Amino acid sequence: GENVEQHPSTLSVQEGDSAVIKCTYSDSASNYFPWYKQELGKRPQLIIDIRSNVGEKKDQRIAVTLNKTAKHFSLHITETQPEDSAVYFCAASGSYQLTFGKGTKLSVIP
Amino acid sequence: DAGVIQSPRHEVTEMGQEVTLRCKPISGHNSLFWYRQTMMRGLELLIYFNNNVPIDDSGMPEDRFSAKMPNASFSTLKIQPSEPRDSAVYFCASSYSSLGDGYTFGSGTRLTVV
Repeated sequence: GENVEQHPSTLSVQEGDSAVIKCTYSDSASNYFPWYKQELGKRPQLIIDIRSNVGEKKDQRIAVTLNKTAKHFSLHITETQPEDSAVYFCAASGSYQLTFGKGTKLSVIP
Repeated sequence: DAGVIQSPRHEVTEMGQEVTLRCKPISGHNSLFWYRQTMMRGLELLIYFNNNVPIDDSGMPEDRFSAKMPNASFSTLKIQPSEPRDSAVYFCASSYSSLGDGYTFGSGTRLTVV
C-alpha cells in the first residue's frame, strides 16, 4: 500500500517568513495530492490540492509543487501570519483511499 | 448543507462498556470513511463504504470494532468492549468521489476510555 512520509514534524517561523513542508510517497500510481490544515480541536480542512498532471498550483499565499519522478510534493506558505499556526497534513491517493502523512505542527511567532 | 455531522462530540466511558459513534454524511455523497486520529499513529483509515456497502475494512483494528451503514444518510462505528487504548478522536468523512478527492470531515468524536 501507499506510504507517505512528512517532514518536518514541527516548524517554527517568524511572522512574515515563508514555511515549507515536504512529503514523499511510495506508490507511483498515486495521482491526487491534497493538503489539509487542522486547527486545535477542529476537523482537518482541505486548503489546496494538486493532481499528477500538474507540477505546481498556487492559491494566494499557499502553493504546492509536485515532482512525480522523485515522488515528492511540497507545501509553501509565504508571508506567514499567526492564523497560519496549525497542524498541516499531506496525503496521497491513487484510488478511493487517502493515505496521510503524520502531520507538521507549524507555529508562527508574532 | 450542514456538512458531515458526528455525534457525540465527546464520550467518556469505562473500560468494558459499549460505545457507539454516529455519522451523517453530506447528502449526495456516496463514499463514507471512518478515521481514527492519535498522536502516535496520526490519521488511520478504519473502514470505507461506497453506496452503503463496506468496501475496505482492513483498517479495523480488531473484532471489537464494527461499522454499519444501513442507509445513505447514516453510519455507526461501534466498539465493544471498549479499552483504554481505544481513546482517540474518531472522524467520519464523506466524499462525492471514489478517487480520493472531495473529502469533507466531520467535527470528530473525542473518545476517552477510563
